[in-house]
Amino acid sequence: RKEVEQDPGPFNVPEGATVAFNCTYSNSASQSFFWYRQDCRKEPKLLMSVYSSGNEDGRFTAQLNRASQYISLLIRDSKLSDSATYLCVVKERTGGTSYGKLTFGQGTILTVHP
Amino acid sequence: ETGVTQTPRHLVMGMTNKKSLKCEQHLGHNAMYWYKQSAKKPLELMFVYSLEERVENNSVPSRFSPECPNSSHLFLHLHTLQPEDSALYLCASSQDLRVYTGELFFGEGSRLTVL
Repeated sequence: RKEVEQDPGPFNVPEGATVAFNCTYSNSASQSFFWYRQDCRKEPKLLMSVYSSGNEDGRFTAQLNRASQYISLLIRDSKLSDSATYLCVVKERTGGTSYGKLTFGQGTILTVHP
Repeated sequence: ETGVTQTPRHLVMGMTNKKSLKCEQHLGHNAMYWYKQSAKKPLELMFVYSLEERVENNSVPSRFSPECPNSSHLFLHLHTLQPEDSALYLCASSQDLRVYTGELFFGEGSRLTVL
């Protein structure tokens, strides 16, 4: 089983649509969770952290379900500029010899069209 | 302008060549990383350095050799590569090794093609 698994897509949606991405992780001891965004031919950049209670940042909502080892990202009112690859990232617990490595999913491709 | 600069941006090399990738971070960070990104695969962590000391070698073949002369610079020396090593090599840095904020700062990458 992959450590971090995402549906690779691609998701093709019209402007204004709501789209949701899912991610599952295999290590139940994982500590922290994040979404990164990678534009075409660009480097990945942190989009937002994912908190246990769920959190919003404008049109973006992230949710975490530790029991199911599941993370989601919801984008409302999609814009053309949202077109990118969205990477789910899991951070292992720090402590002992573990420094808290980040593990990336393969990413979900989103294309928003007019 | 990115805080992490990688050179060269593109590199084509034969299987018997020796070349190096260079990464420089201008952010005052203490940890630096090399990742490999291949099509349809997750980012693969290769090496991690904290305060110039290597803390992770993620089962990377010896034809890849990292060097971290100081906390601002990171190199990846390449020797006798295989065509399957063709990929985008991304350098990243973080404030410290434990990355409490989850934020890595990536360079734009070096696109490597091995013929």
